[in-house]
Amino acid sequence: AQSVAQPEDQVNVAEGNPLTVKCTYSVSGNPYLFWYVQYPNRGLQFLLKYITGDNLVKGSYGFEAEFNKSQTSFHLKKPSALVSDSALYFCAVRVSGGGGNKLTFGTGTQLKVEL
Amino acid sequence: EAEVAQSPRYKITEKSQAVAFWCDPISGHATLYWYRQILGQGPELLVQFQDESVVDDSQLPKDRFSAERLKGVDSTLKIQPAELGDSAMYLCASSQGLAAYNEQFFGPGTRLTVL
Repeated sequence: AQSVAQPEDQVNVAEGNPLTVKCTYSVSGNPYLFWYVQYPNRGLQFLLKYITGDNLVKGSYGFEAEFNKSQTSFHLKKPSALVSDSALYFCAVRVSGGGGNKLTFGTGTQLKVEL
Repeated sequence: EAEVAQSPRYKITEKSQAVAFWCDPISGHATLYWYRQILGQGPELLVQFQDESVVDDSQLPKDRFSAERLKGVDSTLKIQPAELGDSAMYLCASSQGLAAYNEQFFGPGTRLTVL
């Protein structure tokens, strides 16, 4: 069965500093990896995805993520955090075909960016 | 910008009552998903449609939950009777197709409270 782990319930960072939100995954087969952001009482908003190719993926609002196959990780990064980045971030994984062809989410990481 | 529409945004009901949620996906999106998100957790897939056909409903509690997408466009999720444990956010999402690499676009969700 496929799974996603987000080891940090909360990440605190000062505005202007770089941020990293961690994600590791476990699948059988080649993964497709996604990051979503959720603001209070809202649905999830797509940030970026990894399908194949370049391990560094760039997405919306200055976010990027690095795929590391050997470490089965897909950490979300941003060079300079903004207070408006404060939200709940979800990593998700999906594999192609078979019975596992559903999007599996991690438990989420609350990002808090302070002045 | 095209969005997934959901209604109502909030629903309060008493246990044993029936509730229904409506979703209108992004125009042209053939694949539609219903998720349940319990507070503090990531969304979990309940049912997936391709056009009007159910692709995966293995996680749908079929004794009380039902879902339909009769004309392959909008969809309704019903719970009858509602139980206290059904209190959660119900999210609808859509994507261009079944391929696992397609990102899903989420609606704002329906927050259900069962008293």
